[in-house]
Amino acid sequence: ILNVEQSPQSLHVQEGDSTNFTCSFPSSNFYALHWYRWETAKSPEALFVMTLNGDEKKKGRISATLNTKEGYSYLYIKGSQPEDSATYLCAFHYSGNTPLVFGKGTRLSVIA
Amino acid sequence: DVKVTQSSRYLVKRTGEKVFLECVQDMDHENMFWYRQDPGLGLRLIYFSYDVKMKEKGDIPEGYSVSREKKERFSLILESASTNQTSMYLCAIRLPHYGYTFGSGTRLTVV
Repeated sequence: ILNVEQSPQSLHVQEGDSTNFTCSFPSSNFYALHWYRWETAKSPEALFVMTLNGDEKKKGRISATLNTKEGYSYLYIKGSQPEDSATYLCAFHYSGNTPLVFGKGTRLSVIA
Repeated sequence: DVKVTQSSRYLVKRTGEKVFLECVQDMDHENMFWYRQDPGLGLRLIYFSYDVKMKEKGDIPEGYSVSREKKERFSLILESASTNQTSMYLCAIRLPHYGYTFGSGTRLTVV
């Protein structure tokens, strides 16, 4: 079973703080790395799909970077807001037609 | 946008019952997946299917089976429900660019 590690497991920040989390994955047989946001009582929502080493993606205040050679990705949230409170999942895709392997997630709580 | 519908949001079943969890998509995507989510364990893959009548075991298939008789419907079956199958169950489909779209989840409690 492939191992995808996320850290920290949980995080509490004040409104306005910037924060980041890490996803580590096997650096061999890399195909793609996904980030999802999962709010309570909702379905996981896709944030980014990243495929190239050095990729940087941005959606509003959220951005992500990818290093496939060393096997990690960072997710950054600038100026956290209470509505950013959610579990952030990363998922590793090691070939085109295989299921995603998910990390255990980072649970973010933003305190107003 | 594709829609993935899970038939029940909350379900309570008795130990030993046969339980069917249904997942239906409103398009024609081939790849469908069943995951369960438990605190501290993340999303774990139970079964998946690449096409009609095709099924593959995931990481934790024990105690489960699946059915894919039509492309749009992927059913997860608990042959004899047990308390350790109390969990949140999520169905997902894979889109052409390899991203996933999830259903809203079924929270199953086995008593």
